[in-house]
Amino acid sequence: AAGVIQSPRHLIKEKRETATLKCYPIPRHDTVYWYQQGPGQDPQFLISFYEKMQSDKGSIPDRFSAQQFSDYHSELNMSSLELGDSALYFCASSRQRARNSPLHFGNGTRLTVT
Amino acid sequence: SQELEQSPQSLIVQEGKNLTINCTSSKTLYGLYWYKQKYGEGLIFLMMLQKGGEEKSHEKITAKLDEKKQQSSLHITASQPSHAGIYLCGAAPPESSNYKLTFGKGTLLTVNP
Repeated sequence: AAGVIQSPRHLIKEKRETATLKCYPIPRHDTVYWYQQGPGQDPQFLISFYEKMQSDKGSIPDRFSAQQFSDYHSELNMSSLELGDSALYFCASSRQRARNSPLHFGNGTRLTVT
Repeated sequence: SQELEQSPQSLIVQEGKNLTINCTSSKTLYGLYWYKQKYGEGLIFLMMLQKGGEEKSHEKITAKLDEKKQQSSLHITASQPSHAGIYLCGAAPPESSNYKLTFGKGTLLTVNP
């Protein structure tokens, strides 16, 4: 079965650089979520999109922005990177209108800021 | 905001032993999700519980939801090394229409052969 695809798997950037993470949800899933997981931490919700509109916002820094495109894929744009941004970034997708549709996570993008 | 407390934080068992992981919520549970994560990898969906008293099983893993206690338990029977990993419980607040999840801190399971 198709899963959530994230790219790249690994990314190394320097401080103050920018990064773009991509997420391709499971086919027919209309909702995308972004999570950040620091070392030894539980995943923290950043932002979500439903039908290309932002639907909820969590602890996402102002330096970050995201969007969902017409083909439902999503991108997380990160600017002015800081050392503390080093983390695993997960994307998850679900079918919002299906109450028995759990969130399915991708394998994540490991971002290292040096 | 809803907080989930998992216990134990870590667990080491001998292969073949049974074990239980608990997840307790600070607020009423309207749905509880269990995920498994290998270190540095994605979260694998295990089970979703939506009703009080609900119990689901998949292979050797059983999860139960006790709404009154605001608690869920995950039980593994006859553990195997393949069960090793971090188990995370997640819950969505009732006012969330997006099922954004808040997670517990996780339980690290080690299964010794």
